[in-house]
Amino acid sequence: ETGVTQTPRHLVMGMTNKKSLKCEQHLGHNAMYWYKQSAKKPLELMFVYNFKEQTENNSVPSRFSPECPNSSHLFLHLHTLQPEDSALYLCASSPQSDRGPNSYGYTFGSGTRLTVV
Amino acid sequence: EDQVTQSPEALRLQEGESSSLNCSYTVSGLRGLFWYRQDPGKGPEFLFTLYSAGEEKEKERLKATLTKKESFLHITAPKPEDSATYLCAVQAPGNYQLIWGAGTKLIIKP
Repeated sequence: ETGVTQTPRHLVMGMTNKKSLKCEQHLGHNAMYWYKQSAKKPLELMFVYNFKEQTENNSVPSRFSPECPNSSHLFLHLHTLQPEDSALYLCASSPQSDRGPNSYGYTFGSGTRLTVV
Repeated sequence: EDQVTQSPEALRLQEGESSSLNCSYTVSGLRGLFWYRQDPGKGPEFLFTLYSAGEEKEKERLKATLTKKESFLHITAPKPEDSATYLCAVQAPGNYQLIWGAGTKLIIKP
């Protein structure tokens, strides 16, 4: 496989559940990102990992917990979410985060559509 | 505060009816401006990067232009398959992260 792959594509969870989102990239990039996309709002950056090290946490509630075991894999662990957390969660990658996107921008996965009930 | 505003929020066109989408930004010293296309249920797909005022990039029916305050995405003789949400993002100096607009939803009717 090539590009950025996210699983699952859709997830419905109760507020007391624990679930995880997975992202995998086959581009040889060293930076990976989690974004939240809500209807009619700009993309919200959640977390940034550069060479497996977290370099940014944009004041994200602790009910979202990221994990980056290596430069190719990124997880977002979810627990005790709220209905307002329902959104499309996008994973992206780039060569290195401390240089920003290169001339080809970020490469995004197709996202996980999360519904919290 | 660095900000990106896209207009209109939604645009409905007939097939073949050319138009433009706008992305205005308030960033001092732009490092780059990015255009993406996003289809329903998918992630954004990279289209163009522009770096300096006066620069233009083209791809099929799309042409992106850049001034010191805004960028336009011109679509010429669009087809229904051009229907998507178009996102704009900018990179400011000293900040390697992108600042995103809320997007323009483009609908092309056959």
